[in-house]
Amino acid sequence: DTGVSQDPRHKITKRGQNVTFRCDPISEHNRLYWYRQTLGQGPEFLTYFQNEAQLEKSRLLSDRFSAERPKGSFSTLEIQRTEQGDSAMYLCASSLDRGNEQFFGPGTRLTVL
Amino acid sequence: GQQLNQSPQSMFIQEGEDVSMNCTSSSIFNTWLWYKQDPGEGPVLLIALYKAGELTSNGRLTAQFGITRKDSFLNISASIPSDVGIYFCAGGGGSNYKLTFGKGTLLTVNP
Repeated sequence: DTGVSQDPRHKITKRGQNVTFRCDPISEHNRLYWYRQTLGQGPEFLTYFQNEAQLEKSRLLSDRFSAERPKGSFSTLEIQRTEQGDSAMYLCASSLDRGNEQFFGPGTRLTVL
Repeated sequence: GQQLNQSPQSMFIQEGEDVSMNCTSSSIFNTWLWYKQDPGEGPVLLIALYKAGELTSNGRLTAQFGITRKDSFLNISASIPSDVGIYFCAGGGGSNYKLTFGKGTLLTVNP
């Protein structure tokens, strides 16, 4: 399977705990994006990487959120001190340098109790 | 927040019927894309549009990029049960390459 993969698919945690999600993009894609999706809404942009450089962060990304893409391949998204409002589907997408065709992974469903 | 208005919010149709849904924006986009999402999965890209006025087909799906660059529509012909899902429009093409999504159209197809 050469699509975008995400791990874990589901995560249940208690409020105040830290969680980390991983995304493996399509291998030849230089751009990687993180989105968050809540029930009844479309995905909302969080941040994006061009290779290993994080070039933009949404205002949705509070200081409890941090994303990395250390070698320009896989990426991690960490949420510190989780809150119930962080419960959502976290989606990763990747694309080539040209065009806007973004391909999404299956997502990580986070539930904060 | 999101800028795209997608309609209708939901549709209930009989198998074999044609479906039309659209998306409008207060802002201009250089790219329009349409995705389909099944429950518990990520969105799957259906069609990408890059030129104002462009009409593109993918099997039974046809999408158009509006002349004003502020709207797009998606048609599905001869619907089948596996067309069930949520369809999202997305606008893009800005300097940060992010996509702005609508709230989706939930399609239900009765066999």
